[in-house]
Amino acid sequence: GDSVTQMEGPVTLSEEAFLTINCTYTATGYPSLFWYVQYPGEGLQLLLKATKADDKGSNKGFEATYRKETTSFHLEKGSVQVSDSAVYFCALPDNYGQNFVFGPGTRLSVLP
Amino acid sequence: DAGVIQSPRHEVTEMGQEVTLRCKPISGHDYLFWYRQTMMRGLELLIYFNNNVPIDDSGMPEDRFSAKMPNASFSTLKIQPSEPRDSAVYFCASSLRGRSEAFFGQGTRLTVV
Repeated sequence: GDSVTQMEGPVTLSEEAFLTINCTYTATGYPSLFWYVQYPGEGLQLLLKATKADDKGSNKGFEATYRKETTSFHLEKGSVQVSDSAVYFCALPDNYGQNFVFGPGTRLSVLP
Repeated sequence: DAGVIQSPRHEVTEMGQEVTLRCKPISGHDYLFWYRQTMMRGLELLIYFNNNVPIDDSGMPEDRFSAKMPNASFSTLKIQPSEPRDSAVYFCASSLRGRSEAFFGQGTRLTVV
């Protein structure tokens, strides 16, 4: 079945460091891919998405490129801020397009 | 649109009591999901609906859990009787036509003592 593998962390970085959170997936066909972010005490919110191969999603300085050949959708940011401290989830729709498959989440802590 | 609205935001109840969590999805969305989040198990899908009809409830942990969606703008998740191990954050989410992104509510933090 469809699945998402994501580095679990926690990841601790200093402010202005470069961030990569790896995400690989297994899916039938070429589904849309999503990154969600959950700030402390809040629900998940969509951070960015890509709908087809080679698409790059971007938002708030974060980027992720839909790589069909490596079935990956790694999240990157060139310079993290303390306010980026959160849990990040990689996700995709299931094979039937009705439900969502979420990765386990990666907790990021950014220190000043 | 105000987004997905959940109530209450926090609930503290005694073991054995009935708990009802409420959700109002985004208007026009045809899918509604209930999730549970704990430190130990992460984010778990409990049940989801399409056009008010339950599609998959295989994630509902026990018969103590039940969910209803009487109309397109309201859903409930009920736990009866509640137990301390039910303590978690419960999220409701909605989406349009399945493959588009899901929009989450703020969650209900349930504590059963």
